[in-house]
Amino acid sequence: AQRVTQPEKLLSVFKGAPVELKCNYSYSGSPELFWYVQYSRQRLQLLLRHISRESIKGFTADLNKGETSFHLKKPFAQEEDSAMYYCALTGGGADGLTFGKGTHLIIQP
Amino acid sequence: NAGVMQNPRHLVRRRGQEARLRCSPMKGHSHVYWYRQLPEEGLKFMVYLQKENIIDESGMPKERFSAEFPKEGPSILRIQQVVRGDSAAYFCASSPSDRDIQYFGAGTRLSVL
Repeated sequence: AQRVTQPEKLLSVFKGAPVELKCNYSYSGSPELFWYVQYSRQRLQLLLRHISRESIKGFTADLNKGETSFHLKKPFAQEEDSAMYYCALTGGGADGLTFGKGTHLIIQP
Repeated sequence: NAGVMQNPRHLVRRRGQEARLRCSPMKGHSHVYWYRQLPEEGLKFMVYLQKENIIDESGMPKERFSAEFPKEGPSILRIQQVVRGDSAAYFCASSPSDRDIQYFGAGTRLSVL
């Protein structure tokens, strides 16, 4: 069965510090991995997907197939990064997303 | 483009009543997904529909839950004879194709008294 694990329910860092939100997955095949973000009082929105290999709002994530991880990183956190972050995967075909439980990121001034 | 529209935003039902949740996908999107989020949990996939067809309902509870996406009008998630355990946030997402990004609605929060 496919599964996404986000071990940290809450992560608090100071502004300007590096951020790493962990995501591990299990899937028998080649999944497509995503990070979704939900800012306060806003809807869930896509932050980035591994096939795009792009940096959004300073965030990057690299798919490590050996460690089955897709950790989200940002070198210098900003206060506006405070939000709920969800890691998700799909088999790449016509199926729904499997989400982790989410990490609440708080950036302290 | 108004985005994915869900209504109502909040729905209160008593045990045994029916709940109907509506989702209008983004313009040009013909693929709709429904997810449920229980407190302290991530979103769980329920069902994937295209116009007039259910493609994957592997995440739907076997009883009381049904979904449709008619040729005209919004997609409907219907819960019959609601129980307290149905209290959750229900999210709808749409995409233009089956391998494309899913765009989410704001969700419907169902409370069963």
